[in-house]
Amino acid sequence: AQSVTQPDIHITVSEGASLELRCNYSYGATPYLFWYVQSPGQGLQLLLKYFSGDTLVQGIKGFEAEFKRSQSSFNLRKPSVHWSDAAEYFCAVGAGYSSASKIIFGSGTRLSIRP
Amino acid sequence: EAGVTQFPSHSVIEKGQTVTLRCDPISGHDNLYWYRRVMGKEIKFLLHFVKESKQDESGMPNNRFLAERTGGTYSTLKVQPAELEDSGVYFCASARGTTSYNEQFFGPGTRLTVL
Repeated sequence: AQSVTQPDIHITVSEGASLELRCNYSYGATPYLFWYVQSPGQGLQLLLKYFSGDTLVQGIKGFEAEFKRSQSSFNLRKPSVHWSDAAEYFCAVGAGYSSASKIIFGSGTRLSIRP
Repeated sequence: EAGVTQFPSHSVIEKGQTVTLRCDPISGHDNLYWYRRVMGKEIKFLLHFVKESKQDESGMPNNRFLAERTGGTYSTLKVQPAELEDSGVYFCASARGTTSYNEQFFGPGTRLTVL
């Protein structure tokens, strides 16, 4: 069965520092991979997605993620975080063969920013 | 365009009572999904409508949960009778048709507390 693991429950980084959030997935075929962000009181917003092609994908708000098939990983990175990046981040995988299939989420990583 | 809206934003009920959550998808979106996050765990899929038909209801926890989407527009999720373990945040998402990848747009969620 498909699954997503986010090993870090909570991370704190200083404003301006670089960020990497880890994600590992379990899926038999080439997956659809996503990173979502949820700010307080807001819904889930899609940061970026990977379907195929270039394994380094760029997203909104200066985020990027790299798909590494050999490591079953899809880590999220940002070179310099801003205080407004404080939120909860979810890695996810599309669970079926259709682009409209359900999404399976990891348990989330809460990001705090130190001034 | 307006985003996905959910009502109410919060609901507090007693065990054994009935609660109905509503989701209004983005206009023109045939696909509508319900997800749930319980006790800070991962967000889990409940079910998927295509227009008014249930495409996948494999995530519905038991027969106390009833989802409808009459007319293929808004959807309701009824919990009857509610149990303590039903507490959590219920998210709704919508997406366009299925001919190519279609991003799921999420609502802000309904926080349900069962006492």
